[in-house]
Amino acid sequence: DGGITQSPKYLFRKEGQNVTLSCEQNLNHDAMYWYRQDPGQGLRLIYYSQIVNDFQKGDIAEGYSVSREKKESFPLTVTSAQKNPTAFYLCASNSGGGSYEQYFGPGTRLTVT
Amino acid sequence: AQSVTQLDSQVPVFEEAPVELRCNYSSSVSVYLFWYVQYPNQGLQLLLKYLSGSTLVESINGFEAEFNKSQTSFHLRKPSVHISDTAEYFCAVSDRSSNTGKLIFGQGTTLQVKP
Repeated sequence: DGGITQSPKYLFRKEGQNVTLSCEQNLNHDAMYWYRQDPGQGLRLIYYSQIVNDFQKGDIAEGYSVSREKKESFPLTVTSAQKNPTAFYLCASNSGGGSYEQYFGPGTRLTVT
Repeated sequence: AQSVTQLDSQVPVFEEAPVELRCNYSSSVSVYLFWYVQYPNQGLQLLLKYLSGSTLVESINGFEAEFNKSQTSFHLRKPSVHISDTAEYFCAVSDRSSNTGKLIFGQGTTLQVKP
């Protein structure tokens, strides 16, 4: 089955630690996205990548970093510089080139204490 | 820049009653419009989209939305809801002229269907 996988589903970290969230897709999509979801705020774009080895900042990139070394993988690192890292993180992809529908993974809930 | 406003954060409704979830957007350029649904602790699923053509679009599970350009709205409706429709619903827009595929989301509306 084609789709997007995110792991783990739940993640717990101590304050001051960096943590990397995994996102893998087997849809052969060019573009991938990371969103952060907080209650009552909808989804906010962190980073996106339209092609391998290239990515752009979204609206709330501070405290986060990404890489895109392979077409199917777009990991997100939440660094210790992120002031409020506890949130639900969603990865998405679309086939690019004017395609408009984004496909979402199941999400990772990160709790930092 | 675009923005999306979902006018109701929560909409409680009884089973088999009609429902409307409101969405207004602001944009200086033409946009594509989407409704996504999210069940608890899951990712988002596309419910329906407006790209061009008929301003009334329908989903396979009975939802419909109408694009109203003059009122910059894309309200979601269903004539008779089921308990299983309980979820959070997000309205989103995308710039037609951009090739990034970026979506701008509203704050979400929680639909609570009561028996």
